[in-house]
Amino acid sequence: GQNIDQPTEMTATEGAIVQINCTYQTSGFNGLFWYQQHAGEAPTFLSYNVLDGLEEKGRFSSFLSRSKGYSYLLLKELQMKDSASYLCAVMDSNYQLIWGAGTKLIIKP
Amino acid sequence: GAVVSQHPSRVICKSGTSVKIECRSLDFQATTMFWYRQFPKQSLMLMATSNEGSKATYEQGVEKDKFLINHASLTLSTLTVTSAHPEDSSFYICSAREVGLGAGELFFGEGSRLTVL
Repeated sequence: GQNIDQPTEMTATEGAIVQINCTYQTSGFNGLFWYQQHAGEAPTFLSYNVLDGLEEKGRFSSFLSRSKGYSYLLLKELQMKDSASYLCAVMDSNYQLIWGAGTKLIIKP
Repeated sequence: GAVVSQHPSRVICKSGTSVKIECRSLDFQATTMFWYRQFPKQSLMLMATSNEGSKATYEQGVEKDKFLINHASLTLSTLTVTSAHPEDSSFYICSAREVGLGAGELFFGEGSRLTVL
């Protein structure tokens, strides 16, 4: 079956760096997405990776290794507003989005 | 966990016809459902927020008369693409929030791929 795994919850300190991992097993691969979701709100797009390597976008970076079925989202200079859930999603060969359960990130002062 | 089901998963239609996509929360009640559209290799774009028993709230640039949303019950929201054209071909995905739960409890459907010929 198809599966996306990411930690349920993580805690980090304001100003620090945190890495959220995502491993996947899917029928084919057409890209991996990271989304941020604040409590009670719709998710917002953070990044898209389809080739191996690191994509940097401001304080957020996303890494992909297709051979390992692995991705991570790196958040630097953490701010309190970064407290949210982070969703990993993979588009499979049928262009269906397979979603992870999300990682709830708690930022402490 | 909670399940949101979309139907159909794939649909091909002729230009000018209307297509209805259903989004159902299978084991929970959802006061709010979100409809997204995603073009190939692009981000998920929120189209509208559907509230049970009231009118949907559309995002800027989304035509209300073209994308009709009906959220008639706590378990069903429908998106009807009226007079579809090839440029409407896209991946449509819904998500639903469970009644009574606050932070982060947003569940997504599998998505519906629309191809307009």
